[in-house]
Formats: sequence, C-alpha cells, structure tokens
Amino acid sequence: EVQLLESGGGLGQPGGSLRLSCATSGFPFSPCAMSWVRQAPGKGLDWVSTVDGSGDFTYYADSVKGRFTVSRDNSKRTLYLQMNSLRADDTAIYYCAKVASPARFFDSWGQGTLVSVSS
Amino acid sequence: ERVMTQSPATLSVSPGERAILSCRASQSIGSNLAWYQHKPGRAPRLLIYAVSTRATGIPARFSGSGSGTDFTLTISSLQSEDFAVYYCQQYNNWPRTFGQGTKVEIK
Repeated sequence: EVQLLESGGGLGQPGGSLRLSCATSGFPFSPCAMSWVRQAPGKGLDWVSTVDGSGDFTYYADSVKGRFTVSRDNSKRTLYLQMNSLRADDTAIYYCAKVASPARFFDSWGQGTLVSVSS
Repeated sequence: ERVMTQSPATLSVSPGERAILSCRASQSIGSNLAWYQHKPGRAPRLLIYAVSTRATGIPARFSGSGSGTDFTLTISSLQSEDFAVYYCQQYNNWPRTFGQGTKVEIK
C-alpha cells in the first residue's frame, strides 16, 4: 500500500522559511516523479512543484518560483519542499502526491500538512 | 497556461440520482485529463485518468468522457459517500492546472 506522510508544517513568519518533508513507503520511490500540491483556506487545489525520479529536473508554479525548492533523497525515500521568503498567500494545506508513470497524473496523495504564514 | 473551468460550482443532488459535472480547458489537452474527489480533512483521491479510465478500486458508477477541451464526469447513482468536491486537472502542459472544483451536496 502506498503511504505518503507529510510533516514540517506550522506557523511561519512573513519572509521566513519552512521545510516540508514527505516520507514514503509501499512503492519503488526512485523511479517516480513526485509533486507538491496545496489548498489555501476556502480555495481549490493548486499545483506547486514537481521533481523527477532522479531529482535532476524540477518544475514550479510561477507563484513560488525562486522562493521554493523541491528536492528528494532517494536513499531515505523522502521528498522535501524548502519554502523561503514566505508570504501570507502561501498559507495552505500542502499535499505530497505521487506522479503516475509514464502518464503524469497524481495517483496517490498524502493527508497534508498545514502551513500558516502570519506575524 | 491551460485554464480549467468547471461547472457548476455547486450541484445539489438527491441520493440515487445522477450527477453530471463539466470541465472545459482553455486549449486542447488531448486526453490528458484526470478527475479527483476531495473530502474535508482527507487526502484527495484519484477517480479517473486519461479522460475515461477508472483508477483502481473506483466503482463503475463513476465515468468520464470527452476530448480536446470539453470533458464530463458522471456519477450514475449518487451514494452517501459521494458527496464531496470534485476537481478536474490537466497533465498535458506545464504548469499543471486544476479546475476550481464542483461541490456535490445533498439536496
């Protein structure tokens, strides 16, 4: 069974940083692209970032480009999202999602971790 | 960017009735469309991919159709566990984009 468990959420200061983690199990991690998707309060789902299986190729939404960095440690089966220069509109539940291969939809999701940005 | 537009925003349906949800892409996305179900406090759940292929374990009452820019999710006979928010998503182009969601509520 695929399991994705996010952690690292909490209260962040505007301009500050947080690092999210997603621990995985139940599937071959290193071949799989992984993504982060967020949901702001009262809003819909919003794709944030994707990293390929090797970690060499990354993709970002314009809203986070230059501020967020996605990475992975295949030896630990863990996905990360380094969030810098936080803004109030980054407040959201952040979900880790497994990307199906070779198709590219999100076939498994974690329960999410809440990030609140406020002074 | 492919903008995904869902309609209606809210759909009020009685249990046992059929629900039809629409999703329109601003430009062609081929067959690279997925549907997800999302309940409050839960992980989103993949329902349909490649327009019409049900994900593992998804009941046959869920079906998808369409092509190019216009797509539909049909729930043939709503069960109590189907009341949720449904999102379409294109994975043909970067950035990946979702529709704004359709909330299916009990009438």
